[in-house]
Amino acid sequence: DQQVKQNSPSLSVQEGRISILNCDYTNSMFDYFLWYKKYPAEGPTFLISISSIKDKNEDGRFTVFLNKSAKHLSLHIVPSQPGDSAVYFCAARQGGAQKLVFGQGTRLTINP
Amino acid sequence: EPEVTQTPSHQVTQMGQEVILRCVPISNHLYFYWYRQILGQKVEFLVSFYNNEISEKSEIFDDQFSVERPDGSNFTLKIRSTKLEDSAMYFCASSEGRSEHYGYTFGSGTRLTVV
Repeated sequence: DQQVKQNSPSLSVQEGRISILNCDYTNSMFDYFLWYKKYPAEGPTFLISISSIKDKNEDGRFTVFLNKSAKHLSLHIVPSQPGDSAVYFCAARQGGAQKLVFGQGTRLTINP
Repeated sequence: EPEVTQTPSHQVTQMGQEVILRCVPISNHLYFYWYRQILGQKVEFLVSFYNNEISEKSEIFDDQFSVERPDGSNFTLKIRSTKLEDSAMYFCASSEGRSEHYGYTFGSGTRLTVV
């Protein structure tokens, strides 16, 4: 099941710079997208979401962009902080369904 | 902040044995879910539960799996006859509603090891 793909398994960014995490999807029926952050030995923690009727949603240091024609979304974190080091998962949901379909995750490391 | 609680944090069981994984969802939430993550793989949906019945399930959720809300606070996942490939992190989640306005809150997970 490759409906949601995060092609970069890891990303390393300098503290204070922008982190950009990418996610692609294949199912055009997806209408709601979420980003989760996960630390070791913890469950995924919700970060930010976006509905397919929007192309941008912002919450503090986190901004999610959605490009429906390219079936691509990205998470921007600026400025990046050491506490942002974690695995980030993109997830998608199809209208009317309850299940979330997750990507493989990207491990973000913020270097001091 | 309200949280989803899962017990135990780690369970080791012999192949063929039954296991029950327990979850206490957030008290005013109405929808409950189980997901799992096999080491090195994606987080995968297993089942959702609403109004005391399964509302959606994946192809992974076959006859060896069952869910129950026995007492109005706990939400359990039972695996009847465990196999080696059931070894994974199992995450419980809950949400207030099913629309996009309601977030999903995940527990910290139970690491199940089948030997």
